[in-house]
Amino acid sequence: EVKLVESGGGLVQPGESLRLSCAASGFTFSDYPMTWVRQAPGKGLEWVSAISGSGGSTYYADAVRGRFTISRDNSKNTLYLQINSLRADDTAVFYCAKHGIRQQLASPLQYWGRGTLVTVSS
Amino acid sequence: EIVLTQSPGTLSLSPGERATLSCRASQSVSSSFLAWYQQKFGQAPRLLFYGSSGRATGVPDRFSGSGSGTSFTLTINRLEPEDVAVYYCQQYDKSPLTFGGGTKVEIK
Repeated sequence: EVKLVESGGGLVQPGESLRLSCAASGFTFSDYPMTWVRQAPGKGLEWVSAISGSGGSTYYADAVRGRFTISRDNSKNTLYLQINSLRADDTAVFYCAKHGIRQQLASPLQYWGRGTLVTVSS
Repeated sequence: EIVLTQSPGTLSLSPGERATLSCRASQSVSSSFLAWYQQKFGQAPRLLFYGSSGRATGVPDRFSGSGSGTSFTLTINRLEPEDVAVYYCQQYDKSPLTFGGGTKVEIK
């Protein structure tokens, strides 16, 4: 059974940094691209970043490029998202998701975690 | 960036009716790399369809997906109370991957 469990969210002040984690199990982690998607309260889904199975290729939405860094540790079956210079409009639930086809970024988001809430407020 | 526009914003129907949800892309989506997701209140999204019409595991056959190019449709036949959710389309053809704004399906 595929399981994705996000952690690392919480209440932070503007300007601070945070690292989100996504622990994966139930599949060969290094074979699959992974993605982060966020959802602001009461809003729609926003793709944030993706990473290839090896970690050698990364992709970002324009809105977060330069502040967010995606990475993965295939020895620990864990995906990360480093978020710097947090702003109020970063307040959202952050989901990690597994792509559906081995080594293919152009594939649907087959499995999702339950998300972790990041709240940015002074 | 490929912009996806979903309509209507909200659909309010009676049980047993058919729901037709539209997703239009600002440019052609190659090989129908278009997915649909269902998000119930307080839950994570769930994949319903990929490749425009490929049904994901466990999705009832009351649901169907269709379309190509710039026009895609999700149809829910015989609407049931458990179908209340927000439905999103997403293209995975080109980076940045993008989502539509969502269609909320309500039961009258």
